[in-house]
Amino acid sequence: AQKVTQAQTEISVVEKEDVTLDCVYETRDTTYYLFWYKQPPSGELVFLIRRNSFDEQNEISGRYSWNFQKSTSSFNFTITASQVVDSAVYFCALTSGNTPLVFGKGTRLSVIA
Amino acid sequence: DGGITQSPKYLFRKEGQNVTLSCEQNLNHDAMYWYRQDPGQGLRLIYYSQIVNDFQKGDIAEGYSVSREKKESFPLTVTSAQKNPTAFYLCASSYPQGRGHTEAFFGQGTRLTVV
Repeated sequence: AQKVTQAQTEISVVEKEDVTLDCVYETRDTTYYLFWYKQPPSGELVFLIRRNSFDEQNEISGRYSWNFQKSTSSFNFTITASQVVDSAVYFCALTSGNTPLVFGKGTRLSVIA
Repeated sequence: DGGITQSPKYLFRKEGQNVTLSCEQNLNHDAMYWYRQDPGQGLRLIYYSQIVNDFQKGDIAEGYSVSREKKESFPLTVTSAQKNPTAFYLCASSYPQGRGHTEAFFGQGTRLTVV
């Protein structure tokens, strides 16, 4: 069975601080795909990134960066110089490709001005 | 614009009633999904469909039913058998597994409340 664990339920930071959201996954498949989604107060999930199991390169997109480490089954997400607009619930998700996405329970990030 | 449309945004149901949540997509995606979100529970899969006229139960299908008569539409019925239906419901679509593994696109959700 596949499982995604986001141990941090809620995080609060002051604006301009860096923050890392943790994601640990479990799967027996050798090929799988990892995702991060953002859920703002409006409710819709917004796709942020997809990572394939065979590509361990870290990725940076503006203030966002992702650290994928197969050795520790982790796919962590860092926001640099956080802003109030980053306040949202963030979900990590996993699929092996032949099943729907399995989500973690999410981490609620509050960025305080 | 391409996307997924869920309606209504808010829905109130009396106990014992069936209600149907609408989900329409114009992304030409083959696969569609229904997830339920409760506070602190993340997203849990109710049903999914990879092709027209076929669908599979997810982790929490009891008390729900779906149909997939058209590629664009995947309505979810919350029946009176669902004992705790108050939740936020999210519909999503994607290319089916084995065809590129794109991300799933989500609608804006329907918040269902039992009164």
